[in-house]
Amino acid sequence: DVKVTQSSRYLVKRTGEKVFLECVQDMDHENMFWYRQDPGLGLRLIYFSYDVKMKEKGDIPEGYSVSREKKERFSLILESASTNQTSMYLCASSFDINQPQHFGDGTRLSIL
Amino acid sequence: QKEVEQDPGPLSVPEGAIVSLNCTYSNSAFQYFMWYRQYSRKGPELLMYTYSSGNKEDGRFTAQVDKSSKYISLFIRDSQPSDSATYLCAMSAGGANNLFFGTGTRLTVIP
Repeated sequence: DVKVTQSSRYLVKRTGEKVFLECVQDMDHENMFWYRQDPGLGLRLIYFSYDVKMKEKGDIPEGYSVSREKKERFSLILESASTNQTSMYLCASSFDINQPQHFGDGTRLSIL
Repeated sequence: QKEVEQDPGPLSVPEGAIVSLNCTYSNSAFQYFMWYRQYSRKGPELLMYTYSSGNKEDGRFTAQVDKSSKYISLFIRDSQPSDSATYLCAMSAGGANNLFFGTGTRLTVIP
């Protein structure tokens, strides 16, 4: 079974802080994704990566950046956290861009 | 108009009932269709994956795709309390940054 592990289940940070969310997958998948999930809005793609050191913007990249230094690890960075970034953050990976994505259990982030 | 429309529910059924969950879409280029189950405070878990049209069955779950009507369905037979979750549909025309999710239907199966 694919295992996507997100480092924190719950996180509380203050506005203006730099926040790092970490994600690791154990299936040697090429593609990794970061989403946020908000009630009534569903899942929205922030960034994705199809190879090490490669990244592409999703639908809502503003205020976020990403890093993929190793194939198995994909980090999401909030450069200066704001209250409107309070959300559930989900990491996913897939073997091929047209194959289903497999998700981690999410990080519920609160910005105070 | 949203790419994918899904009734948010909530939907409550008695144990043993047949459940029908549905999504409609507007993009005729969609050809990859998925259903995910998401328990409270967990990430989405892939249930079914279908390419193009037709039916796919896996145990108590059946996924149907009707491309002519731009309509997909997930049927759950003999529903169990453990099926209580939010069900998300997702679909894609292929390629990167081209996967669209419904907002999810919350299902409760009452013992």
